Amino acid sequence: DAKTTQPPSMDCAEGRAANLPCNHSTISGNEYVYWYRQIHSQGPQYIIHGLKNNETNEMASLIITEDRKSSTLILPHATLRDTAVYYCIVRGTGSARQLTFGSGTQLTVLP
Amino acid sequence: DTEVTQTPKHLVMGMTNKKSLKCEQHMGHRAMYWYKQKAKKPPELMFVYSYEKLSINESVPSRFSPECPNSSLLNLHLHALQPEDSALYLCASSNPQRRNNEQFFGPGTRLTVL
Repeated sequence: DAKTTQPPSMDCAEGRAANLPCNHSTISGNEYVYWYRQIHSQGPQYIIHGLKNNETNEMASLIITEDRKSSTLILPHATLRDTAVYYCIVRGTGSARQLTFGSGTQLTVLP
Repeated sequence: DTEVTQTPKHLVMGMTNKKSLKCEQHMGHRAMYWYKQKAKKPPELMFVYSYEKLSINESVPSRFSPECPNSSLLNLHLHALQPEDSALYLCASSNPQRRNNEQFFGPGTRLTVL
């Protein structure tokens, strides 16, 4: 699975959009980009995933560049409850595939 | 039911104790995972079970012994642990038949070894 690079920390004002970047320049054609987040002392929570098209669900939007070497997770209206560590993970498909977590980005939403 | 439960929430044990962590899910997932997370670090994979058979062991010391008695349960048996084994132990499950099998995580067991 390809390695990812994320900024260690970011701040965002409550109610504003939070844009979390991720670089995955060694991603291969059959690897997906996944985002999980972990609120303090809880288990990680799945947010969204994508291959090459932009994706949106009730939690967030995922924008993947055309060359697929980077992506951005967008939380459209951040709340204090979105304060968490956000992990960008690149992973191939398969039956029981583990997640290899990088260092992630600590997002702090400020009131 | 999209929940993974883990018991106990907290566990304190001595280095000579034997204890077990339990994980349960009723989503029909046939892949289950144990991760270990040290403070301020990302989770690290320990074991993967697929269809109740151990498929991945990430060179975990034998003092950690996983068990998958049925498709809903996953145990982690602990014996002769060291203080450095103190960590948050996370269980997860997924549906291996889905192409993009998102993992559902439990809240974890916070283990302290004295």
